[in-house]
Amino acid sequence: KAGVTQTPRYLIKTRGQQVTLSCSPISGHRSVSWYQQTPGQGLQFLFEYFSETQRNKGNFPGRFSGRQFSNSRSEMNVSTLELGDSALYLCASSLSQPGAPLHFGNGTRLTVT
Amino acid sequence: SQQGEEDPQALSIQEGENATMNCSYKTSINNLQWYRQNSGRGLVHLILIRSNEREKHSGRLRVTLDTSKKSSSLLITASRAADTASYFCATDGRSQGNLIFGKGTKLSVKP
Repeated sequence: KAGVTQTPRYLIKTRGQQVTLSCSPISGHRSVSWYQQTPGQGLQFLFEYFSETQRNKGNFPGRFSGRQFSNSRSEMNVSTLELGDSALYLCASSLSQPGAPLHFGNGTRLTVT
Repeated sequence: SQQGEEDPQALSIQEGENATMNCSYKTSINNLQWYRQNSGRGLVHLILIRSNEREKHSGRLRVTLDTSKKSSSLLITASRAADTASYFCATDGRSQGNLIFGKGTKLSVKP
């Protein structure tokens, strides 16, 4: 089975721009979660999607948004980028059972200059 | 906000030694999971322990859970250089719908 695929792997953007990151989950996984990882804050939960609906949301500003398509693929978008948005963005998919382990992609490294 | 806090933040040992990492959390949980992350890559699930379990084994890994102290430990026995990575605990709290991760323990195993 193919793992979770995230594209692009690396991205460099300028302050004020917007960015869209993509995530393809493991086949059969309908839940997709997004996390932001920085050295200072660690792994911070952004949001979770299940069956095209946002099921949970972390404490991030409205500039961070996401969506999920009918094939479970997910995208997240960050508008009006700030320097502090530089981070590794990780996507994880899972079965929708409570406590099911997360399967992570290798992330998108976003650098905002 | 962080639910789990790992201790120590960094650990350096020689190959063949055992490595013990601890995790403390704040609220009631359904289960606790441990993940490993190699530098610059995604996290890999290692083991899950449910709130009604006290100990669990998987290969060279041993996890304990003490819900009265709200703490867990991960023991890696006979460590190898390939075990060099960051290790995170994550909790699936009863009042939350997502996994919350600690800041991790960075383990370095010297050959």
